[in-house]
Amino acid sequence: ETGVTQTPRHLVMGMTNKKSLKCEQHLGHNAMYWYKQSAKKPLELMFVYNFKEQTENNSVPSRFSPECPNSSHLFLHLHTLQPEDSALYLCASSQGLREIGYTFGSGTRLTVV
Amino acid sequence: AQKVTQAQTEISVVEKEDVTLDCVYETRDTTYYLFWYKQPPSGELVFLIRRNSFDEQNEISGRYSWNFQKSTSSFNFTITASQVVDSAVYFCALLDYTDKLIFGTGTRLQVFP
Repeated sequence: ETGVTQTPRHLVMGMTNKKSLKCEQHLGHNAMYWYKQSAKKPLELMFVYNFKEQTENNSVPSRFSPECPNSSHLFLHLHTLQPEDSALYLCASSQGLREIGYTFGSGTRLTVV
Repeated sequence: AQKVTQAQTEISVVEKEDVTLDCVYETRDTTYYLFWYKQPPSGELVFLIRRNSFDEQNEISGRYSWNFQKSTSSFNFTITASQVVDSAVYFCALLDYTDKLIFGTGTRLQVFP
């Protein structure tokens, strides 16, 4: 158990579906992040939330919509995705202190068909 | 620009061999942090080590050791007497003044019995 829990672990969805990924942490961290991990590419930072406020949107297409209702929960709402969006989506949290680093969840393996 | 390069895409060794994973970074900042993470097949990124830019002492933790050299902007990771359980993807990452964790593309290590 890493302290950051992501559900579901695996998700297969059609291009017209709407689904949501969930991330939860009870570490008392105030910052949460979504990363995308595609094959043979560096992990790409998608969104950053600090104290529930979005502070970073790394030019992510609007078919990805994040939501952070409180500092312990983070969602990624998905709609009308493309096959190239298939990837491992990792959630992380941190205390916002540079020297501490991040705690990562196990990720959601998303396949878009 | 901030960048992390892991030139080795994949390394295969036989158990008990020593192996070194290379990491080269670029940053304009004078204060930054370097990390190594391990990603086993289960998917989560497991924190291994953090090093700040002012501390160039090499570190040893069991079979793991890290060599930080600012002169060459490198932060290499050596596993001594490798074991099958060391098989994973290893990521080097940089956290600088942008407060974002920038990852390399990772090195897949396969240790064969």
